[in-house]
Amino acid sequence: DTEVTQTPKHLVMGMTNKKSLKCEQHMGHRAMYWYKQKAKKPPELMFVYSYEKLSINESVPSRFSPECPNSSLLNLHLHALQPEDSALYLCASSQEEGTGTYGYTFGSGTRLTVV
Amino acid sequence: AQSVTQLDSQVPVFEEAPVELRCNYSSSVSVYLFWYVQYPNQGLQLLLKYLSGSTLVKGINGFEAEFNKSQTSFHLRKPSVHISDTAEYFCAVSRMDSSYKLIFGSGTRLLVRP
Repeated sequence: DTEVTQTPKHLVMGMTNKKSLKCEQHMGHRAMYWYKQKAKKPPELMFVYSYEKLSINESVPSRFSPECPNSSLLNLHLHALQPEDSALYLCASSQEEGTGTYGYTFGSGTRLTVV
Repeated sequence: AQSVTQLDSQVPVFEEAPVELRCNYSSSVSVYLFWYVQYPNQGLQLLLKYLSGSTLVKGINGFEAEFNKSQTSFHLRKPSVHISDTAEYFCAVSRMDSSYKLIFGSGTRLLVRP
């Protein structure tokens, strides 16, 4: 299995809703990442998990809450989002923290619309 | 700090023609260099990467790139494009000493016409 799987593919939520994005990989990678990509823009790093511990938080608002329950799974919990949070949320993984020798493997993303 | 510049926001080209997508970077430290492709409504797929060694790097789908340290460039080339190469292409860098973060250029849309 050489994939990063993200669910759901599309999500529409209201500003008072609570929802979660899920990311799963079975490549034995020990680092996982959340990126946010606005329309017509490049991806921007949000969080880095290394060995199931939060390693990097790129000053992301607290309405985004990451969780890494085990080495294969990464969640992003969403609460009280704003319309400007609408974007494509990409999950990625790598063997170790950092792009190093192998680079990242990206999932196909969750397209989030906040109404 | 590192930055990546992709000067061409869109590159139109006819099928079977050659193409070059330009990427320049700025960094005070050594970096790793990457090209990713993003097809519509999909995630990013790694095309190729430069870590060290030979400055000419070959990737998937017939793409190659050349690292030029003096010009701080990492241009992507393909000798003959197909309709299916139509996509967004991102150049990216990461610091060798702290490589957790990929910094992307603004992207170049390659539009292949029949």
